Amino acid sequence: KAGVTQTPRYLIKTRGQQVTLSCSPISGHRSVSWYQQTPGQGLQFLFEYFSETQRNKGNFPGRFSGRQFSNSRSEMNVSTLELGDSALYLCASSVGQGGETQYFGPGTRLLVL
Amino acid sequence: GENVEQHPSTLSVQEGDSAVIKCTYSDSASNYFPWYKQELGKGPQLIIDIRSNVGEKKDQRIAVTLNKTAKHFSLHITETQPEDSAVYFCAGPNSGGSNYKLTFGKGTLLTVNP
Repeated sequence: KAGVTQTPRYLIKTRGQQVTLSCSPISGHRSVSWYQQTPGQGLQFLFEYFSETQRNKGNFPGRFSGRQFSNSRSEMNVSTLELGDSALYLCASSVGQGGETQYFGPGTRLLVL
Repeated sequence: GENVEQHPSTLSVQEGDSAVIKCTYSDSASNYFPWYKQELGKGPQLIIDIRSNVGEKKDQRIAVTLNKTAKHFSLHITETQPEDSAVYFCAGPNSGGSNYKLTFGKGTLLTVNP
């Protein structure tokens, strides 16, 4: 099976802009989780989607949002970018019911200037 | 919420030696503890996980032990090899019981010297 894929792999934006990141889970997986990884804060949970519904949410401001499509692919959006949003954004997929093991993609490296 | 503390932050060993990384957690209701390995430029890769109804799990050179009473779990790597060099993260489910909402430790940079 193909692994979790994320696009784009690298992105440069300026403050105030918005960005959309995409994640395709492993075939058959219905749960997609998003994490932010920074040197200072480490890996932090953003949100999790299952069957097109947000099932869990982390402690991030409303500028961070996501959605999931009927084919389980997911997108996350960050509006009004700030310098502190520079990070590696990781997507993880899991079966979703009866199987919570999360498999990560390679991540999208976002740099905000 | 769940708090996961991981030690040490860096660990240097000689090839062939063993490496041990320890994590403690705060939520006694936590029941799922994965370990991930992250190499430079890549996403975290699951290497082993354990559930709270098991005290130990092994997979070749890797083992994880869980002490529910003390609320800590450890990763053991035996016969280390240079390719084991990476950052290792432990994780536990966030409070509220969802195993899909993981709280990660700060990571351990393991260096295996040839």
